[in-house]
Amino acid sequence: SAVISQKPSRDICQRGTSLTIQCQVDSQVTMMFWYRQQPGQSLTLIATANQGSEATYESGFVIDKFPISRPNLTFSTLTVSNMSPEDSSIYLCSVPGRNEQFFGPGTRLTVL
Amino acid sequence: QQPVQSPQAVILREGEDAVINCSSSKALYSVHWYRQKHGEAPVFLMILLKGGEQKGHEKISASFNEKKQQSSLYLTASQLSYSGTYFCGTLNSGGYQKVTFGIGTKLQVIP
Repeated sequence: SAVISQKPSRDICQRGTSLTIQCQVDSQVTMMFWYRQQPGQSLTLIATANQGSEATYESGFVIDKFPISRPNLTFSTLTVSNMSPEDSSIYLCSVPGRNEQFFGPGTRLTVL
Repeated sequence: QQPVQSPQAVILREGEDAVINCSSSKALYSVHWYRQKHGEAPVFLMILLKGGEQKGHEKISASFNEKKQQSSLYLTASQLSYSGTYFCGTLNSGGYQKVTFGIGTKLQVIP
């Protein structure tokens, strides 16, 4: 299994600012996933972060809005840029196991 | 493609049973079930691989019908601790891939 930590656990931000979320895994993993969970909704994949290459974004998500870094096999960051109230969500990083996905505790973001 | 879950919400009294269904329009390699309590991250419950197996976890079990591309989660003799949102997730192929999640079923168990 993998143990994942995220920082910050929650934040309240002003419209137009940016927030960088950090994700640390206790083991080396090739892929890391970033999900968004809007209030009362399911988990929607934002992008897959691969070490050594650019992230792969899902339909509806763009690099300018959600830039991702993956400097090594245990760490990744997701930035939510130029935030608006619609970006208020829980952001979760996740890593695949052999048969399951492990999730971090999430970052609860509120944009005013 | 997002799997379809039903029902979207259910309220049970302690001790009652419930079934949550998950279906896909595409062939499935595996089905995953997660439970998320309010304010927490999803927690993995079980995985079912193609082959039509059935699995159990305490009083929670699941089946996977590969031909029908469906899975069902069975909660028997429900307890208050079962409350939460249940998500099914699907994989269309094996290996280290990303899971696609259904919309979730909100389950509330009341005394």
